[in-house]
Amino acid sequence: GNSVTQMEGPVTLSEEAFLTINCTYTATGYPSLFWYVQYPGEGLQLLLKATKADDKGSNKGFEATYRKETTSFHLEKGSVQVSDSAVYFCALTLYNQGGKLIFGQGTELSVKP
Amino acid sequence: EPEVTQTPSHQVTQMGQEVILRCVPISNHLYFYWYRQILGQKVEFLVSFYNNEISEKSEIFDDQFSVERPDGSNFTLKIRSTKLEDSAMYFCASRLTVSGANVLTFGAGSRLTVL
Repeated sequence: GNSVTQMEGPVTLSEEAFLTINCTYTATGYPSLFWYVQYPGEGLQLLLKATKADDKGSNKGFEATYRKETTSFHLEKGSVQVSDSAVYFCALTLYNQGGKLIFGQGTELSVKP
Repeated sequence: EPEVTQTPSHQVTQMGQEVILRCVPISNHLYFYWYRQILGQKVEFLVSFYNNEISEKSEIFDDQFSVERPDGSNFTLKIRSTKLEDSAMYFCASRLTVSGANVLTFGAGSRLTVL
């Protein structure tokens, strides 16, 4: 079946540290891949996306590259800020699945000053 | 920027009561979804809706759940007889098409607490 697996959290970093949150997927077709972010007390917001292999999604200093050979879409940021503290969800969708998103379990990031 | 609006933001109800959660999707979107997130757990798909009918539903979406789009703007999720385990954050989402480049836009969620 189709699924998404993320690294376990919580992840605690100091401000300006480098961030990587690992995400791997299993899909029967060619998925589009997404990172959503959920700030405390808020809903899900799209952070970035990539729709085909080797695409790089980027937004707010975050990046993720769609790697078909390793079925991965790891999220990276060179220098995190306290305001990046949130839960990050990796997700995929397949065209023949009616646009349904399949989420990973979420990774909580806590950035300390 | 267009947004998906959900009401109420928080509802507390007694077990066995009916609950209706409301959503106003983005106006030109055609595909509508409900997801839920039990505290500390994964965001789970409940149901998708297109052309005034359910496209797909998960095993969670049993006979106690129903959805409708009564007036062309609102999209509602009804739980007929709530159980303790229905306590969760419920997210509505909408999408213009099912193209991979087209993303789901989520509402801020409705937190349901069943006592």
